[in-house]
Amino acid sequence: DAGVIQSPRHEVTEMGQEVTLRCKPISGHDYLFWYRQTMMRGLELLIYFNNNVPIDDSGMPEDRFSAKMPNASFSTLKIQPSEPRDSAVYFCASSKPGLAIYEQYFGPGTRLTVT
Amino acid sequence: AQSVTQLDSQVPVFEEAPVELRCNYSSSVSVYLFWYVQYPNQGLQLLLKYLSGSTLVESINGFEAEFNKSQTSFHLRKPSVHISDTAEYFCAVSESIPGGGNKLTFGTGTQLKVEL
Repeated sequence: DAGVIQSPRHEVTEMGQEVTLRCKPISGHDYLFWYRQTMMRGLELLIYFNNNVPIDDSGMPEDRFSAKMPNASFSTLKIQPSEPRDSAVYFCASSKPGLAIYEQYFGPGTRLTVT
Repeated sequence: AQSVTQLDSQVPVFEEAPVELRCNYSSSVSVYLFWYVQYPNQGLQLLLKYLSGSTLVESINGFEAEFNKSQTSFHLRKPSVHISDTAEYFCAVSESIPGGGNKLTFGTGTQLKVEL
């Protein structure tokens, strides 16, 4: 399997612009998680989906952030408008209860820089 | 709510020396514990996990961790580190979520730097 795929790997944008991060989970995985990693706050869970349905978005920092999962093989995390404090590495992870119970498989991350 | 504390943000060690990375957790229910490793510019990879049974768990590359319920700890150890072990290590605790899955709460990470 190709693992969790994220794109782009690097994104540089100006403050105020819209940013869309993309994730393709491992085929057959029921759960998809979005995390943000910063030096100050470490690794934070932003939102997770089960069977394409958002279950808990309490980690989303504010209304500028939104996430969707239109089908089992694709999810987006959108920031509009972006701000310099959004600069971070954003990870997507997926998991499948059962065969690999409790294990989450992480993508390589998207490094976002907002200037 | 569950939480994880990694007291050491950085641990420098010489190659072939032993190392211990500390992790303490807080949970009011049964816990499942994990160590993930992050190499530079990569995502996190599962290193080892404790779900139940033997309190000592091992990874394929020589790391081990021991679940200690009375001390609420899950410290990671390796008797002899290699330069390739240089990475950031995250301890995590899981909690059940609807649908039978789990979500992870991570510690702030410990940067292990192995020097020659």
